[in-house]
Amino acid sequence: EAGVAQSPRYKIIEKRQSVAFWCNPISGHATLYWYQQILGQGPKLLIQFQNNGVVDDSQLPKDRFSAERLKGVDSTLKIQPAKLEDSAVYLCASSLMGRSSSYNEQFFGPGTRLTVL
Amino acid sequence: DAKTTQPTSMDCAEGRAANLPCNHSTISGNEYVYWYRQIHSQGPQYIIHGLKNNETNEMASLIITEDRKSSTLILPHATLRDTAVYYCIVRSPRGNTPLVFGKGTRLSVIA
Repeated sequence: EAGVAQSPRYKIIEKRQSVAFWCNPISGHATLYWYQQILGQGPKLLIQFQNNGVVDDSQLPKDRFSAERLKGVDSTLKIQPAKLEDSAVYLCASSLMGRSSSYNEQFFGPGTRLTVL
Repeated sequence: DAKTTQPTSMDCAEGRAANLPCNHSTISGNEYVYWYRQIHSQGPQYIIHGLKNNETNEMASLIITEDRKSSTLILPHATLRDTAVYYCIVRSPRGNTPLVFGKGTRLSVIA
């Protein structure tokens, strides 16, 4: 079974530039998450999708970050314009949409390491 | 914010058991304890989870105290490939709620 795919793996940009990350979840996984992981810290949720609808984007800095999941499969996360503090690893994860009382394991991709100069 | 407290780092000799503690004194009655680990340059990986009974799978064992305020993840025979950051997470099992990570414990397995 193929895992969660992300690209690019690394990206270096200058502040005020824009950047986009792509995620392809595991086939059949209805739920997709984007997490931001700053060096030395645990991942922090940015946004959660259920199919192509947003479930939670309360921690997404909407003045500069945007995300979409067209057709409920692939997703893109965009930053425009980037700031120095956006330097981090951006992780995508996916899980099945099961019964509300059941646990659905989250599978993570390898992440995209962003460096903003 | 994370509802767990873990030591920042631990060392373990290769082949010995690694015991990673976690405090979660404010855990609610329906919340589970989950463990994930993150090997360098990879995404987090699920290890195990439990409610109140001890759990074991092919990767590890999870021991939860009777009052559920703390737990220990046990890797019975640590190898160099177990070197990683280990995250203890308290979470409701309902639906697909996201994971709330703390800083975790950096485990170094030494030859």
